[in-house]
Amino acid sequence: AQSVTQLDSQVPVFEEAPVELRCNYSSSVSVYLFWYVQYPNQGLQLLLKYLSGSTLVKGINGFEAEFNKSQTSFHLRKPSVHISDTAEYFCAVSAQGGSEKLVFGKGTKLTVNP
Amino acid sequence: EPEVTQTPSHQVTQMGQEVILRCVPISNHLYFYWYRQILGQKVEFLVSFYNNEISEKSEIFDDQFSVERPDGSNFTLKIRSTKLEDSAMYFCASEGTTNYGYTFGSGTRLTVV
Repeated sequence: AQSVTQLDSQVPVFEEAPVELRCNYSSSVSVYLFWYVQYPNQGLQLLLKYLSGSTLVKGINGFEAEFNKSQTSFHLRKPSVHISDTAEYFCAVSAQGGSEKLVFGKGTKLTVNP
Repeated sequence: EPEVTQTPSHQVTQMGQEVILRCVPISNHLYFYWYRQILGQKVEFLVSFYNNEISEKSEIFDDQFSVERPDGSNFTLKIRSTKLEDSAMYFCASEGTTNYGYTFGSGTRLTVV
């Protein structure tokens, strides 16, 4: 079984500041890792995913994440945030192989202030 | 870009009534899922569906729940007798075979009163 811990429930930052949203996972098998974003009153949109290969993954809207197997982490970063990045961000994990269920973290609410 | 479409966007129902939530997955996808998110809580897996049968279901997915793909395009979630605690946002998702990572619909907010 897999589990995901998102250490920060809320992260307030000022516009144009860098941000890191933390995610740690636990699994007894190899995993795929995902970050999803949920804007207010909307569904879940895939930001980026790690399946294999390079541990630094680039996604949409300037976000990137780094897979660290030894630390079982998959932190999300953006060098300069915009007001429009205000949203809830969910880290998720699935067992490798495809068509496996996703296990989500509790989410991090990112608020970008002017 | 292909989308997963869910209807209705919001449904209010009385406790004990049956509800059917509808989803149209991406047309060439083969794997289908339902998840739910109770307000303020994390997104939880309910059920996965492949080749016209349930692949996996969670403890939440008890006898009150059922899924169906009646006509090759729609994918439905039925709750037979709704309870107050079924109030949540329900997300449908689909996945292809060559590009891992679901596409989620925008959700149906179910309110049981």
